[in-house]
Amino acid sequence: EVQLVESGGGLVQPGRSLRVSCAASGFTFDDYAMHWVRQAPGKGLEWVSGISWNSGSKAYADSVKGRFTISRDNAKKSLYLQMSSLRAEDTALYYCAKDSSNWSDAFDVWGQGTMVTVSS
Amino acid sequence: EIVLTQSPGTLSLSPGERATLSCRASQSVPSIYLAWYQQKPGRAPRLLIYGTSSRATGIPDRFSGSGSGTDFTLTISRLEPEDSAVYFCQQYGYSFTFGPGTKVDIK
Repeated sequence: EVQLVESGGGLVQPGRSLRVSCAASGFTFDDYAMHWVRQAPGKGLEWVSGISWNSGSKAYADSVKGRFTISRDNAKKSLYLQMSSLRAEDTALYYCAKDSSNWSDAFDVWGQGTMVTVSS
Repeated sequence: EIVLTQSPGTLSLSPGERATLSCRASQSVPSIYLAWYQQKPGRAPRLLIYGTSSRATGIPDRFSGSGSGTDFTLTISRLEPEDSAVYFCQQYGYSFTFGPGTKVDIK
């Protein structure tokens, strides 16, 4: 079964850092690009960041550029998002999503998300 | 950045009726780069349509997509109770952006 499982979310103070992770199974992880998409409570979807199959290409939304860093470990079949200088507006459910190709295609598999709450 | 606008915001229809959801882009999007997702409450989004009109694996044929340039449409031909959800369009040709969503309520 193709599966993505996020972890690492929690309550963090403004200005602090947090790393969320995504464990993949059921498919050849290093064949595909991967993405992070977030959803603030009661709001729509916002693409956050993406990384190509070999980490050669990385992209970020303007709202997180310079604060968030995406990475992957193909040997561990894992995706990461290092978030720093967190703000209240970063509060959201963070989804890991699989690209259907090695870069820039529709997202055909999604995890269940990990909640990040930024508050003092 | 390409901005996607969806209309209507909410659609309230009866089972068996046809739903037509619109997605408009602020600039032209190649049709191969437009997707639709369904999200039910408390659940992750699910890919319905990619490349404007191709159904994802396991998606019933009552869901169809069409359009070109800046105007795209998701049609649900015969609504069923389980189609109650929020539907988002997405472009993935110029970075990645999502529309704000259309909520479909089944009466």
